[in-house]
Amino acid sequence: NAGVTQTPKFRVLKTGQSMTLLCAQDMNHEYMYWYRQDPGMGLRLIHYSVGEGTTAKGEVPDGYNVSRLKKQNFLLGLESAAPSQTSVYFCASSYSTGRFDSPLHFGNGTRLTVT
Amino acid sequence: AQSVTQLGSHVSVSEGALVLLRCNYSSSVPPYLFWYVQYPNQGLQLLLKYTSAATLVKGINGFEAEFKKSETSFHLTKPSAHMSDAAEYFCAVTEGNQGGKLIFGQGTELSVKP
Repeated sequence: NAGVTQTPKFRVLKTGQSMTLLCAQDMNHEYMYWYRQDPGMGLRLIHYSVGEGTTAKGEVPDGYNVSRLKKQNFLLGLESAAPSQTSVYFCASSYSTGRFDSPLHFGNGTRLTVT
Repeated sequence: AQSVTQLGSHVSVSEGALVLLRCNYSSSVPPYLFWYVQYPNQGLQLLLKYTSAATLVKGINGFEAEFKKSETSFHLTKPSAHMSDAAEYFCAVTEGNQGGKLIFGQGTELSVKP
């Protein structure tokens, strides 16, 4: 029972490089989310998706793009990495109740350092 | 707009003592409120949630929280701390009409002294 799986676990990028973070869930959840966690700031929502083929912006979307081509996968892309994007990235998913009160299931995070 | 404020970035208690972690929220409509816990190098796990049923909510590991609309608070408590409770705790809020946007507080790191 894998739950939410994030790859890679660690990555170091140079400024200007690009990369894609992959999130996969095996719980048939409708909703998926990408958060970043920074010390003293809690988790901030980057982008989210309420279904296959749909995405929406969260609190801090600038510098990131996402895609949800398959229900079980949610990709987060950095086109041109900046040091300010050094963070721990968490993917989460939840099932649909129509009221958005279902709990989030989190992956174990990706630690990204941009030098 | 919805928001969450956690009072105190670090809380330290002795083993066996009361745990009280404070959370205040701002919401223009009746909110859904959550507490999550994060152990080192792991993702977040749900402790408990409030979704407009009973105002006193019981969660896992002996934790509970009380929703107080008049005080816009949702404080987390546990009568007797255990060493294994040491972790970071996050309060979060969402509004049912916001399409799944869960907003987190800054987090409170709980230390438990022997």
